[in-house]
Amino acid sequence: NAGVTQTPKFRVLKTGQSMTLLCAQDMNHEYMYWYRQDPGMGLRLIHYSVGEGTTAKGEVPDGYNVSRLKKQNFLLGLESAAPSQTSVYFCASIAGFSYNEQFFGPGTRLTVL
Amino acid sequence: QQPVQSPQAVILREGEDAVINCSSSKALYSVHWYRQKHGEAPVFLMILLKGGEQKGHDKISASFNEKKQQSSLYLTASQLSYSGTYFCGTGTGNQFYFGTGTSLTVIP
Repeated sequence: NAGVTQTPKFRVLKTGQSMTLLCAQDMNHEYMYWYRQDPGMGLRLIHYSVGEGTTAKGEVPDGYNVSRLKKQNFLLGLESAAPSQTSVYFCASIAGFSYNEQFFGPGTRLTVL
Repeated sequence: QQPVQSPQAVILREGEDAVINCSSSKALYSVHWYRQKHGEAPVFLMILLKGGEQKGHDKISASFNEKKQQSSLYLTASQLSYSGTYFCGTGTGNQFYFGTGTSLTVIP
């Protein structure tokens, strides 16, 4: 039982490049969230999904897209990376609904030059 | 929407107590508390639901006053392992908002 995994763990991009971050969970959770964490800002919600095939915008969605084609996977895409997207990205999954405990992946550290 | 935490940082000696406060300008229906150690993911501590109940986790407990839109985390007889950044968080609909964080350092 791996819990929540994220790939890659580290990535360096040049401005304008694209990439996809993968989050996978093996707990059969319905809800999955993508957060970014910047120094002094805490974690901010980018996009979330309440089930397979559904996605919705969070607090800071601009510049990102997501897809949830399979229940266990939640992908975060950056179409044209910008230096402002340098951050640590965390994925979380939740059993049931948003008031329950969140299980976090280990994070992806992204640097955009 | 982001809850505000205080203090921003605190340094304790082993065995001392600390209180971390979390307040929101919006109505709170539940409050989560998480701890994050440097370079790691946040780890769940507890959830408090409406009703003002106090919950505990070892020597860490918390209270929730939905009328005042506030929650407090109490760390008693602090241990070195308590060091980290503590976040409160709250959900509105399906969205979730974490607080600004409180850095806690416990020294021998």
